[in-house]
Amino acid sequence: DVQLVESGGDLVQPGGSLRLSCAASGFTFNNYAMNWVRQAPGKGLEWISYISSSNNIIYYADSVKGRFSISRDEAKNSVFLQMNSLRVEDTAVYYCARVAILTGFPQDYWGQGTLVTVSS
Amino acid sequence: SYELTQPPSVSVSPGQTATITCSGDKLGDQYASWYQKKPGQSPLLVIYQDRKRPSGIPERFSGSNSGNTATLTISGTQPMDEADYYCQTWDGSTPYVFGTGTTVTVL
Repeated sequence: DVQLVESGGDLVQPGGSLRLSCAASGFTFNNYAMNWVRQAPGKGLEWISYISSSNNIIYYADSVKGRFSISRDEAKNSVFLQMNSLRVEDTAVYYCARVAILTGFPQDYWGQGTLVTVSS
Repeated sequence: SYELTQPPSVSVSPGQTATITCSGDKLGDQYASWYQKKPGQSPLLVIYQDRKRPSGIPERFSGSNSGNTATLTISGTQPMDEADYYCQTWDGSTPYVFGTGTTVTVL
C-alpha cells in the first residue's frame, strides 16, 4: 500500500527554521513528483511547493518563495521541506502528496499531515 | 495569479443531489480535480481529469468541466459526504491552484 508519513512539525518562534520530512513507501518513489500542501486553521488548502521526479523542476508558491526549499532523497524515499524565516501566518498542518502520473497532475495519495505552529 | 472561486456552502437533504461549482478563467481548457476534506483527515481525491473517479470512490460522485466552470455533483448524497470540497487545476504560471472551498452540509 502507498504510504506517506510526514514528520518534523513543531512549535517554533517567528523567524525560526524547521525541516519537515515525508517518508514514502509502497511505490517506486523516484518515478513520482511530490507536492507539499498546507491548511492553516480555519482556512482552505494551499499548495506550497512541487518537485519533479527527476529533481530538475521545482516550483514554489509566492507566499513561501525565498523562504522555503524543497528537496528529495531517492535513497531514503523521502521528500523534505526546509522552512526558514517562519512567520505566524505559516502556522498550518502541512501535508505531502504524491502527484499522479496523469495529465492534470492530480494528487492521488496524501500523508496524515504534521502541525507547524509559529508563535512567540 | 490564477484564481478558482467556489460557493462557500451548499446544503442538501439526504438522498438529494449536491452541485458544487468552481469558476476560473477558461478553466475548461485545463483539467480539474476535486478533493474531499473532512476535519482531522487528509484530503481525498474524488475526481480527476474533470470526470474520472479513482478506485474506491462511489459512483454518486461525478464531474464535468466546460467553459469557465467545473462542477462536482454528488447524487444521492449521504450523511458521510458532509465535508469540505476543493477544486484544483494546474496552471502554467502558478502550477497548482486550489479553489476557495465549499462546505457541504447534509441536513
